[in-house]
Amino acid sequence: QVQLVQSGAEVKKPGSSVKVSCKASGGTFTTYPISWVRQAPGQGLEWMGGIIPIFGTPNYAQKFQGRVTITADESTSTAYMQLNSLRSEDTALYYCARGRSEDSWDSDLWGRGTLVTVSS
Amino acid sequence: ERVMTQSPATLSVSPGERATLSCRASQSVGSDLAWYQQKPGQVPRLLIYGASTRAAGIPARFSGSGSGTEFTLTISSLQSEDFAVYYCQHYNKWPPYTFGQGTKVEIK
Repeated sequence: QVQLVQSGAEVKKPGSSVKVSCKASGGTFTTYPISWVRQAPGQGLEWMGGIIPIFGTPNYAQKFQGRVTITADESTSTAYMQLNSLRSEDTALYYCARGRSEDSWDSDLWGRGTLVTVSS
Repeated sequence: ERVMTQSPATLSVSPGERATLSCRASQSVGSDLAWYQQKPGQVPRLLIYGASTRAAGIPARFSGSGSGTEFTLTISSLQSEDFAVYYCQHYNKWPPYTFGQGTKVEIK
């Protein structure tokens, strides 16, 4: 059974960076899209960007362009999301999610989320 | 960027009644539309993909319809476990694969 295991909660200062990891265990990783989705407290889901590890080229939502970097390490079946220049509005639960199929970006497998708190 | 707009923001329904949720895309997304359910403290769960295909293990009371820019999620007879927030998401062609803002289905 494939699982996505995310790194633990982080507390960061404004202006700093955070890097969240998402490790796939028990199944296919490299050929499936991996999305990063965030959810601020009490708010909806926001697609930040994604990557298909075997291709390695990420896509980003324009809102995050220049501030987010999504990468993947095929050798360890791990995807990463780094967000720079953090501000209080970035306080959120950050999810990784795997595409339902190799050519589909809807997601049927989600990590449990990583809480990132930005506070001075 | 395709903007997904859901309505209503909140839907009050009695158990056993039908719930109808709408999702509109600012430009056509074909049938590349998914619906998710999220309960408090839980991760989103894929309900519907391809606008109308139920994901594995999803009860038949959930159905999706539509194409292009207008989509509907129908829950035929609401059960207690169906009270949650529902999101639509397009995954058509190019990113970003945006979500709607969500519809909360609450007990009337």
